Parts: sequence; C-alpha cells; structure tokens
Amino acid sequence: EVQLLESGGGLVQPGGSLRLSCAASRFTFSTYAMSWVRQAPGKGLEWVSGLSGSGGSAYYADSVKGRFTISRDNSKNTLYLQMNSLRAEDTAIYYCAKGADSSGYWPDYWGQGTLVTVSS
Amino acid sequence: DIQMTQSPSSLSASVGDRVTITCRASQNILNHLNWYQQRPGKAPKLLIYAASSLQSGVPSKFGGSGSGTDFTLTINSLQPEDFATYYCQQSYTTPLLTFGGGTKVEIK
Repeated sequence: EVQLLESGGGLVQPGGSLRLSCAASRFTFSTYAMSWVRQAPGKGLEWVSGLSGSGGSAYYADSVKGRFTISRDNSKNTLYLQMNSLRAEDTAIYYCAKGADSSGYWPDYWGQGTLVTVSS
Repeated sequence: DIQMTQSPSSLSASVGDRVTITCRASQNILNHLNWYQQRPGKAPKLLIYAASSLQSGVPSKFGGSGSGTDFTLTINSLQPEDFATYYCQQSYTTPLLTFGGGTKVEIK
C-alpha cells in the first residue's frame, strides 16, 4: 500500500524557517500530483499547497503564498515544503497527501503528519 | 472562493444507528465532492469520491449522494470504529481544494 512519511517538524520561533519532507513509496511518485494539508490544534483541515507530478506547476493557499514553497525530487521520491516567515497561526500538523490520479490533486492517501509549532 | 458548510457540526449516536451528514457548497460543484474520515490522532482517510463512489477497501455501510450544491454522507449500522470526525471536500476548483468544517460523530 502507498506509504507517505513526513519529517522535519518541530518548534520554531516566529519569523523563522523550517523545511518539511515527505518520503513516498509503493507507487510511481513522479506520476502523481502531491499536496500539503494542515490541521491546527483542535481545528479542521486546510489545504496549503499542491504540486504537479513533474514539479512544473505549483499552487498555494492565499494564507501561505509568498512564504511557503513546495517542491519535489522525483529521483528521491520526496516532496518538500519550505516554510519561511513563520507565524503563530502556522502552528499545525502538516500532512503530505497523494493526488488520486495523474491530473487530480484531491488526496486518496495521507501521511501520518508532522507537527510544526511556531512560538517564542 | 467556494465555501463548504457541513451540518451538524457534531452529533451523538448509538452503536447500530444510521447517521446522515450533510454538506452544502456555496456554488454548483457538479459531483466534485469527496468525504474523509479522521479518527482521533490519525490521518484522514478517503471514504467516498465523486460524491457517490466508494473508495477501494471502504465498507459498503458508507454511502454518498448528491450533486450540484447539496451532498449527503450516510453511515449504516454505526460501529465503535466509526466514531470519528468526517469532512467533505470540494475538488471542483482543483488544485485549490476546500474542506468543510467537519462533523464529529460521538457515542451517545
């Protein structure tokens, strides 16, 4: 079955940076769009960013546009999220999610998540 | 932006009950509607896609219906493992996705 393993979360001060990684396995990574979705403590799900299978097309929620950058290394089957200028409201569990088909960004599989805490 | 509104936000039910959760889109999204289950402390899991198609491996006790702006998730014969939070999500504006606020199904 599809496996997605996030890493890189932790405690960071406001204004700081963090890079999340998502190691994918058991599917042809380069074929599928991938997304990051976050969940603030006790809150609902919020789509953050999506990236096409080739990496050529990236999309962002308005709340992170200009601060976050999504990328992928298809040779390493890994998805990334570079987060800069972090704010307290970015505190959340960040999930990596696989797109359901070659052109679809909506997720069919999710990783277990990595917690990002932005606090001084 | 398309807004997704779920109701109720929470409900209490007993083992064996049938429950229905509704999701309303702020504009016509055709059938581009998915449902996810999230158990406490776990990642979301896809249950239903394209409004009514059952994801592989998901029990047939879960059912989805609707099109346009109004959608429904039905869970038959509620079991202890079904007590969770359920989210709808529109993919009409993919790659930009929007989730509903969630419905928490609790044990009565």
